[in-house]
Amino acid sequence: KNEVEQSPQNLTAQEGEFITINCSYSVGISALHWLQQHPGGGIVSLFMLSSGKKKHGRLIATINIQEKHSSLHITASHPRDSAVYICAVRSSFGNKLVFGAGTILRVKS
Amino acid sequence: DAGVTQSPTHLIKTRGQQVTLRCSPKSGHDTVSWYQQALGQGPQFIFQYYEEEERQRGNFPDRFSGHQFPNYSSELNVNALLLGDSALYLCASSLVGHQNTEAFFGQGTRLTVV
Repeated sequence: KNEVEQSPQNLTAQEGEFITINCSYSVGISALHWLQQHPGGGIVSLFMLSSGKKKHGRLIATINIQEKHSSLHITASHPRDSAVYICAVRSSFGNKLVFGAGTILRVKS
Repeated sequence: DAGVTQSPTHLIKTRGQQVTLRCSPKSGHDTVSWYQQALGQGPQFIFQYYEEEERQRGNFPDRFSGHQFPNYSSELNVNALLLGDSALYLCASSLVGHQNTEAFFGQGTRLTVV
C-alpha cells in the first residue's frame, strides 16, 4: 500500500461544477502539500497545510490530522483548472516529500 | 527571482550512456532534492543535498549519483542508462530549518532513453 493515496485517479467535470480531490496518508507528517502540474511538467505549489483549512481564490484545502486525510476543493471550476493535482506529505522523520500518484482533472466547457 | 531552474529541458540519450542534469535552487535556498517522475505516476524521491553532502537517499541504485556545489546548485548524474530511466526529473529547493514552507520546484528535465 502506498504511503499516500489519492482519489479519484481521473476526474472529468463540467465548467462550474464543485470539485473535490481526496488524499489519505499512512505516515506521521509535519506538513501536507497540494501541488498542480500542467502538461510539460512544471509543478506549482498550491497549499502547504499542517492543520485546519486554507483558501486561495476558488481553491480550498482542508486537513484532518487525526484521520490522516486531506481534501482539495475547487469551486466554480473552469477549463483552465484542467491539470494534474498532486498531494505530497513531508514525513515527520526526515525532510523528503512523499507524493501521491496524482489526480488528472479535466474541466469541459 | 528566477525560482528553481533546471537544464536542459529535454534530453535524448542512448542505453548505456551517462547523463548529467543540473539544478539551480531558488535564491536564498541551500537544500536541493531530486525526484524522478515516470509517466502517469507521482514523483519518487531520489536524494537530497545540503552542505555539499548527500543527506537522504531514496530507493535508487548507485547508478544515480549527485553533487552539490558551494553556490548550492546541484547535479544529478545517471550512469549506464536503461530504458526505464526515461522520466521527468524534478528538482526542488528549500532552506534547511524551514522545511514546512511552500515547496518550490523547477520545470523539470524530460529524459528519454532510446
